[in-house]
Amino acid sequence: ETGVTQSPTHLIKTRGQQVTLRCSSQSGHNTVSWYQQALGQGPQFIFQYYREEENGRGNFPPRFSGLQFPNYSSELNVNALELDDSALYLCASSLLGASSGANVLTFGAGSRLTVL
Amino acid sequence: DAKTTQPPSMDCAEGRAANLPCNHSTISGNEYVYWYRQIHSQGPQYIIHGLKNNETNEMASLIITEDRKSSTLILPHATLRDTAVYYCIAPTTDSWGKLQFGAGTQVVVTP
Repeated sequence: ETGVTQSPTHLIKTRGQQVTLRCSSQSGHNTVSWYQQALGQGPQFIFQYYREEENGRGNFPPRFSGLQFPNYSSELNVNALELDDSALYLCASSLLGASSGANVLTFGAGSRLTVL
Repeated sequence: DAKTTQPPSMDCAEGRAANLPCNHSTISGNEYVYWYRQIHSQGPQYIIHGLKNNETNEMASLIITEDRKSSTLILPHATLRDTAVYYCIAPTTDSWGKLQFGAGTQVVVTP
């Protein structure tokens, strides 16, 4: 059973640029959630994808967008980068509809984005 | 999600039990309590969850009070590798995958 993998692990962008972060879900999972974690804070929910459609969104502007592909992998896109977008971006997968009913997420190691 | 309250930090001696408290007084009857931890520079890791009964797995034990307003995560024999931020979360039933992380408890295990 493979876990959640994210790429790239680190990247540096400049203000105004666009970035795409990628995530491969754990085998057997059908839902992907993305979180932003600023330094010294807990992760903040950005959005979730299920069946290739957005299924819930946190308090993030539209310049944060995403995709989920048929193989349940996912992308997070951020346009018009701002300095405050510097953070660790975490991807998590889960199995919606699991027989246990448990809301258990498997997280990747994250992509650390620095905006200069 | 039900609001959870945790102490900001605690220390524990290696080999001793670590007892991490969490208050969730507004939790609803069908909301589970979940615990995750985050070791520095890694993604959060699921530890355990429970509804009413006490739970135990290979990582930890979870004790939930009868009124469900608080719980305690127990690491029975803390090791240096247990040094991490521990998050207690009580998501609503319609918030699948949409966890609200607070500040958590920074646990430092010392030799």
